[in-house]
Amino acid sequence: EAQVTQNPRYLITVTGKKLTVTCSQNMNHEYMSWYRQDPGLGLRQIYYSMNVEVTDKGDVPEGYKVSRKEKRNFPLILESPSPNQTSLYFCASSSGLRSNQPQHFGDGTRLSIL
Amino acid sequence: AQSVTQLDSQVPVFEEAPVELRCNYSSSVSVYLFWYVQYPNQGLQLLLKYLSGSTLVESINGFEAEFNKSQTSFHLRKPSVHISDTAEYFCAIILNNAGNMLTFGGGTRLMVKP
Repeated sequence: EAQVTQNPRYLITVTGKKLTVTCSQNMNHEYMSWYRQDPGLGLRQIYYSMNVEVTDKGDVPEGYKVSRKEKRNFPLILESPSPNQTSLYFCASSSGLRSNQPQHFGDGTRLSIL
Repeated sequence: AQSVTQLDSQVPVFEEAPVELRCNYSSSVSVYLFWYVQYPNQGLQLLLKYLSGSTLVESINGFEAEFNKSQTSFHLRKPSVHISDTAEYFCAIILNNAGNMLTFGGGTRLMVKP
């Protein structure tokens, strides 16, 4: 089954404690991205990756890091989380947004930073 | 910079009534357009998209959207909604000149009442 898997699904942590949200896809997609979803703001892109070792900033990259060492994995790293990063995060992958293939989303990770 | 505006944050409607969810965009270059649906506690799923060709696009579950270039709109319609259509709907664009960054609207919560 084609899927994008995020872990953890829920996390409550404290300010300044480094955390990583993992994302893995099994569709051999080249393109992966991270979004955060906040009420009234829709989804805003944090980072995206066009292929292995190729990453670029989205709309709201501050406070986040990513890496793409393997095609299937695209972890999101918060080196020093702050309360304004409390949000719902989604990872997505596709073979290309302009193709006829849709972008597949994970089920989301709800982060609470106290 | 490009932007997407969904004018209605919530749309309550009775079952079997028609519905229109509005989406307008702003961009200095031509765009591709998407509608995504998010059911409770799930990720986003592509509902339909316009890349080229006929300006009227349809989904498998009865939704349709029409690209209107002069009005920079991509409104989503369904002639008769079901309770199961209750979800949040997001309009999104991508610039067709470069990049792979989706810009989302703030979302519209469709609430179908019996």
